[in-house]
Amino acid sequence: GENVEQHPSTLSVQEGDSAVIKCTYSDSASNYFPWYKQELGKRPQLIIDIRSNVGEKKDQRIAVTLNKTAKHFSLHITETQPEDSAVYFCAASEEGGSEKLVFGKGTKLTVNP
Amino acid sequence: DTAVSQTPKYLVTQMGNDKSIKCEQNLGHDTMYWYKQDSKKFLKIMFSYNNKELIINETVPNRFSPKSPDKAHLNLHINSLELGDSAVYFCASKGLGTSGFSYEQYFGPGTRLTVT
Repeated sequence: GENVEQHPSTLSVQEGDSAVIKCTYSDSASNYFPWYKQELGKRPQLIIDIRSNVGEKKDQRIAVTLNKTAKHFSLHITETQPEDSAVYFCAASEEGGSEKLVFGKGTKLTVNP
Repeated sequence: DTAVSQTPKYLVTQMGNDKSIKCEQNLGHDTMYWYKQDSKKFLKIMFSYNNKELIINETVPNRFSPKSPDKAHLNLHINSLELGDSAVYFCASKGLGTSGFSYEQYFGPGTRLTVT
């Protein structure tokens, strides 16, 4: 089955700096890669996703890149703000197949003011 | 208007008891899920239902039994609760996102279960 590895487990940056979180997946059949943000005591919320037919997607300060050959994808947050502090999860699934979302173990991002 | 709701939000109970968690979504989605988030924040799928039919059943003890009376509801019943069952349980549903172009999963607020 699918296995998703996520690094780093913790990340601390200064406000205004960029943050990068990386994930690798094992199942070449996976074709959908969402990223979720979970604030303390809250539900995971989808912030951006990418499908295997594109290599990059941007939404304001957030971007995701996908390298299908190497089976890795990354989340990039630019101009970080204190409210970006949260746990971020990557995930992978096979849409049209098992449809099961397999999550990475999460990255706790702290943005210091 | 809450899209995916769960009750109760907190549940404290003793070992050996039986308890249920309820989930409802008003998004008109066909697919619903139960996830378990342990103390290390690891999110793992437990079950998935599509239009009341079980489609994913991970290696979960059979003390856990999901029930879907209709496609808007997916409840989780847990028998003979154990200390290791303490976790946050999230319900989720999947359907067309706000863009209208792609399918997304929406999570409920979670139920924090503490077994003493």
